[in-house]
Amino acid sequence: GAVVSQHPSRVICKSGTSVKIECRSLDFQATTMFWYRQFPKKSLMLMATSNEGSKATYEQGVEKDKFLINHASLTLSTLTVTSAHPEDSSFYICSASPWTSGSYEQYFGPGTRLTVT
Amino acid sequence: AQSVTQPDIHITVSEGASLELRCNYSYGATPYLFWYVQSPGQGLQLLLKYFSGDTLVQGIKGFEAEFKRSQSSFNLRKPSVHWSDAAEYFCAVGATGGGNKLTFGTGTQLKVEL
Repeated sequence: GAVVSQHPSRVICKSGTSVKIECRSLDFQATTMFWYRQFPKKSLMLMATSNEGSKATYEQGVEKDKFLINHASLTLSTLTVTSAHPEDSSFYICSASPWTSGSYEQYFGPGTRLTVT
Repeated sequence: AQSVTQPDIHITVSEGASLELRCNYSYGATPYLFWYVQSPGQGLQLLLKYFSGDTLVQGIKGFEAEFKRSQSSFNLRKPSVHWSDAAEYFCAVGATGGGNKLTFGTGTQLKVEL
């Protein structure tokens, strides 16, 4: 149980275009989803937290207009990188939690490798 | 604010040898602590967690960790390492302010020599 998928696993896009990454909880309802960015040989940096049906909460320093997050249903969240630039190239990981509070357990997706050329 | 320190960036052990990965945390209350493992190009898999109770926690793949409040530590151990254990290991603490947020350490890269 507690499986989270991400699509696509890899994506290459041209500078200036937008790319959407999907995160799905396959066998549970994800009340809360998280989006992380991981730089090479670095830890995970939390970008934003999203709760189903409400606006995402972005961490300090993360541009909300550049990284659009939508949590339209209890099983799907999307991250759209708008007007992508080479510095946006990174490994993006989502996680999902069936709880809004009281537990810190998160189930992680396999990640999406974004390369902006 | 909470923080997590993993002092060892890289560790190399021989297959069959014992392993200990260090994790120190800074948190004002009783922490929620986690160890995750990440294989190259993959997401994170939960190895074990500590919320309360017995300070020695058993996890998957033969791993265990011990919560020591006096040392603010939550070190991960395995008595006999297998080559397939080579991966990146992250310690994490449940963040203040609710919302189920986790704060991660910088990770320890484990290499296993055959």
